[in-house]
Amino acid sequence: KAGVTQTPRYLIKTRGQQVTLSCSPISGHRSVSWYQQTPGQGLQFLFEYFSETQRNKGNFPGRFSGRQFSNSRSEMNVSTLELGDSALYLCASSTGQTTNEKLFFGSGTQLSVL
Amino acid sequence: AQSVTQPDIHITVSEGASLELRCNYSYGATPYLFWYVQSPGQGLQLLLKYFSGDTLVQGIKGFEAEFKRSQSSFNLRKPSVHWSDAAEHFCAVGGSSGGYQKVTFGIGTKLQVIP
Repeated sequence: KAGVTQTPRYLIKTRGQQVTLSCSPISGHRSVSWYQQTPGQGLQFLFEYFSETQRNKGNFPGRFSGRQFSNSRSEMNVSTLELGDSALYLCASSTGQTTNEKLFFGSGTQLSVL
Repeated sequence: AQSVTQPDIHITVSEGASLELRCNYSYGATPYLFWYVQSPGQGLQLLLKYFSGDTLVQGIKGFEAEFKRSQSSFNLRKPSVHWSDAAEHFCAVGGSSGGYQKVTFGIGTKLQVIP
């Protein structure tokens, strides 16, 4: 069974641009969560999608948005990039059926904003 | 609001020595608690989890953790550390309030293993 796949692996953008990151969950998983990881803040929860609906949301500005498709693949978009958006963005998938589930993480997309 | 505190940002141990990584949580009800490990350039992998039952939980790679409600702690232990354990370790708490998969992670403890 293939794991969680995130593309691209690395991205370099400049301030003011927008970016779209992609996440393909494990086959059969309907929940996709997104996290921002920075050295000083650890992992910060962005949002979770389940069956194409946003089910949970963290405390990030509206510049951060996401969506999920009928095949459970998810995209995350960041508009008007700021230097502070430089981070490793991780997605995790699970069946989404229970609260104590193991999360399966992708290797992440490293975003650098110049 | 749920939160996790990992007081040690960086820990160095000798190979073969015992290890304890500290984790304190804040959560209004019975928490679901996790330890994940992240090797360089990789995503996170679950080591173990607790949500009910026996307060001493066994995980993969010889790790164990003990849930102590009175101390709001969920410390990770290993009796003999291997060089391959060098990685960043994250404690996390989740639960039913606020939804299914809103897991809150600690800032992480970076483990260095010296020969």
